[in-house]
Amino acid sequence: TQLLEQSPQFLSIQEGENLTVYCNSSSVFSSLQWYRQEPGEGPVLLVTVVTGGEVKKLKRLTFQFGDARKDSSLHITAAQPGDTGLYLCAGAATGGFKTIFGAGTRLFVKA
Amino acid sequence: GAGVSQSPSNKVTEKGKDVELRCDPISGHTALYWYRQSLGQGLEFLIYFQGNSAPDKSGLPSDRFSAERTGGSVSTLTIQRTQQEDSAVYLCASSLGTGSLFEQFFGPGTRLTVL
Repeated sequence: TQLLEQSPQFLSIQEGENLTVYCNSSSVFSSLQWYRQEPGEGPVLLVTVVTGGEVKKLKRLTFQFGDARKDSSLHITAAQPGDTGLYLCAGAATGGFKTIFGAGTRLFVKA
Repeated sequence: GAGVSQSPSNKVTEKGKDVELRCDPISGHTALYWYRQSLGQGLEFLIYFQGNSAPDKSGLPSDRFSAERTGGSVSTLTIQRTQQEDSAVYLCASSLGTGSLFEQFFGPGTRLTVL
């Protein structure tokens, strides 16, 4: 069974701080996605990484896919209250359609 | 254009009753997914439809759960004889195609509470 473990489960920081959240598995994924979910809404895709070692930047967010395609990280620089939400990683096996989601990291950024 | 819509947004029911949850995907999206999200948890895959192919029901937790997709568009998730452990947010998503590179667009979910 493929599992994605996210850490930390919960993170509360001050505005302006940097943070990194992790997504780990013992399985290889053809791609990993990061979603952000706000209360009362469905998740919204932030990025998809497909190549081992790939790094993608989205403004203050930096996403990295591990060389072995088993793990990924999300780094936020100078966090803002608007970054508050549940961050979910999701992976799909090679040739598969079923997306496996991690349990998420709940981020709270205090002003 | 319009996103994925779900109805009702909230549903409170009594244990043992049947419920139907509806999902209207984005027009033209051939793939449709149902997920369940319990409080503070990630998303649990339930079922997947792709075009006219037989759906993948491997994630349905019991035979009380069923889903159909009519005309390749609207989908209904039915839970029979609801139990308290069925309480969760049920999310629907659609995408242009299958595979890991296609973005899934999620609806706002239906919050189900079984008393």
